[in-house]
Amino acid sequence: GAVVSQHPSWVICKSGTSVKIECRSLDFQATTMFWYRQFPKQSLMLMATSNEGSKATYEQGVEKDKFLINHASLTLSTLTVTSAHPEDSSFYICSASGQGAVGELFFGEGSRLTVL
Amino acid sequence: QKEVEQDPGPLSVPEGAIVSLNCTYSNSAFQYFMWYRQYSRKGPELLMYTYSSGNKEDGRFTAQVDKSSKYISLFIRDSQPSDSATYLCAMSPTGRRALTFGSGTRLQVQP
Repeated sequence: GAVVSQHPSWVICKSGTSVKIECRSLDFQATTMFWYRQFPKQSLMLMATSNEGSKATYEQGVEKDKFLINHASLTLSTLTVTSAHPEDSSFYICSASGQGAVGELFFGEGSRLTVL
Repeated sequence: QKEVEQDPGPLSVPEGAIVSLNCTYSNSAFQYFMWYRQYSRKGPELLMYTYSSGNKEDGRFTAQVDKSSKYISLFIRDSQPSDSATYLCAMSPTGRRALTFGSGTRLQVQP
């Protein structure tokens, strides 16, 4: 099946720094990518939807100035956590959608962020 | 009330048992229903997806959707220790690709 790659798989940073997470679709063009956040033993919560070449659409309660999303190409979307704080520590997962049906949604392996 | 309700478990069964996992939902607009398997510290892996009501079978897995009751199920036959994971149901209205997830059920298959 299609592959979505996330990088880095884990990152530790100091409070106040910014962290960038990349999400790449390796063998298909992803017109839409989704960013989710997952706290331990909890479900995935949609943060934002990014469409190639346009601004991301953020879910209610998600600070767009804190979680910067860029979808500059059909194979790459990035999530930047700006001025990270310990409460931003979480598992961030992207998913990518091609031109097919809703069922053809592929998830990355996730990126675990720990803010000290 | 959450849009999608799922018992978090853990659900512990012996190897070879039939496992039944379920979700209920409140949004009647949901048309696409998925089941994902997630191992610890990994991204979700799509197991099955179903459009609207009905059954779908794939190997040891069977997905059922009952839209009239707003209830979906995943059955795993001949469960194996390697099936031990968290199972997430997810759903979406027609035409929108973002998913609403259940909280996940943690399954443990004892050898």
